[in-house]
Amino acid sequence: NAGVTQTPKFRILKIGQSMTLQCTQDMNHNYMYWYRQDPGMGLKLIYYSVGAGITDKGEVPNGYNVSRSTTEDFPLRLELAAPSQTSVYFCASSFPPRSSGGRLITDTQYFGPGTRLTVL
Amino acid sequence: GEDVEQSLFLSVREGDSSVINCTYTDSSSTYLYWYKQEPGAGLQLLTYIFSNMDMKQDQRLTVLLNKKDKHLSLRIADTQTGDSAIYFCAERPTGTASKLTFGTGTRLQVTL
Repeated sequence: NAGVTQTPKFRILKIGQSMTLQCTQDMNHNYMYWYRQDPGMGLKLIYYSVGAGITDKGEVPNGYNVSRSTTEDFPLRLELAAPSQTSVYFCASSFPPRSSGGRLITDTQYFGPGTRLTVL
Repeated sequence: GEDVEQSLFLSVREGDSSVINCTYTDSSSTYLYWYKQEPGAGLQLLTYIFSNMDMKQDQRLTVLLNKKDKHLSLRIADTQTGDSAIYFCAERPTGTASKLTFGTGTRLQVTL
């Protein structure tokens, strides 16, 4: 399994340009997530999806859009890039939480290698 | 809302033990996680602990949870230069559809 893959690895955009960050997973995970990591900060959740056709906003969704037409793919779209969107973007995926013997089994998130985006 | 705090930096000599601390605010958290991020790489899950446990050991890693004080720690025994990385604590509050709240990360520097 390749796990979670992201493209591109690096990108420089001009203000106002648009682009799509790609994310694919081959683990048949229902849940997928997009995070951004600013320098010296933890990860902030942008959007997440609990299955194909279902997406929801995270903590910092403004300026981004997502779609989930297949289980495997969860692209993140920036329509009008702004300098404030300069960051490292991580995609992650997981199974949903599930129970076994009355006990919740954790839904470990697996992360991609990240996309470093600079907006000038 | 949820908040997770960590100190930003820790320096340790090779062979010593490292202890990375984390405090969180949401008492309903079900699971607490430790992730490792090496330079230029994504996050790698190291270990996790269920909220009804107070300790979990996994080879060189020991996780201690003080639920009363909402304090989580990660101890790395016999720290090696390959352990140099940023370590993130994360919590998953109950009923949040698997959304994690991450701390700011602690940069561990291992010196010779």
